Amino acid sequence: DAGVTQSPTHLIKTRGQQVTLRCSPKSGHDTVSWYQQALGQGPQFIFQYYEEEERQRGNFPDRFSGHQFPNYSSELNVNALLLGDSALYLCASSSVAGGETQYFGPGTRLLVL
Amino acid sequence: AQTVTQSQPEMSVQEAETVTLSCTYDTSESDYYLFWYKQPPSRQMILVIRQEAYKQQNATENRFSVNFQKAAKSFSLKISDSQLGDAAMYFCAYRLSGGYNKLIFGAGTRLAVHP
Repeated sequence: DAGVTQSPTHLIKTRGQQVTLRCSPKSGHDTVSWYQQALGQGPQFIFQYYEEEERQRGNFPDRFSGHQFPNYSSELNVNALLLGDSALYLCASSSVAGGETQYFGPGTRLLVL
Repeated sequence: AQTVTQSQPEMSVQEAETVTLSCTYDTSESDYYLFWYKQPPSRQMILVIRQEAYKQQNATENRFSVNFQKAAKSFSLKISDSQLGDAAMYFCAYRLSGGYNKLIFGAGTRLAVHP
């Protein structure tokens, strides 16, 4: 049973560029949540997708956008990258049947220069 | 707004000994979940244990157990018979019950295990 997968594992971008991160949920899960974890801090909620719609959003600017596909996989897009966007981006999947516990992927480390 | 506080930035324990990590939270809700996640240097956030607020019995998973004090809004994690592989960052997290609610994390506690 494959767990949550994310790609790429590492990414280096320059200020002003755009980036797309990808996530495939655990088998049987239909909900994907994205978190940003700055160095030395706990993860911060970005947004959550269910049935291809954004269900909930944290305190992040509109530069952060997402998408969920019919197969429940998801993308996180960040436009006009800032140095402060450098972080570990975590994807978590869950389902109602699974008690809504969120299971995390290995993350994508983004460095903005 | 709900908040989660971990007051111990770092903790250490000798192999085979017991250690307790502290977590407090603030909420006006009565129905919620609490979690402990472990994040080793590999970065993967791994679920350690989960507690439903409506359950009075403390959750246990092998060497890991919690002390859930709902009135005090306290949720500590006890690791028994500590192993070198337990060394990691430990995050306490809160989530409202129902719907598809976000996890709110504490700042984490770094646990070192000494042989």
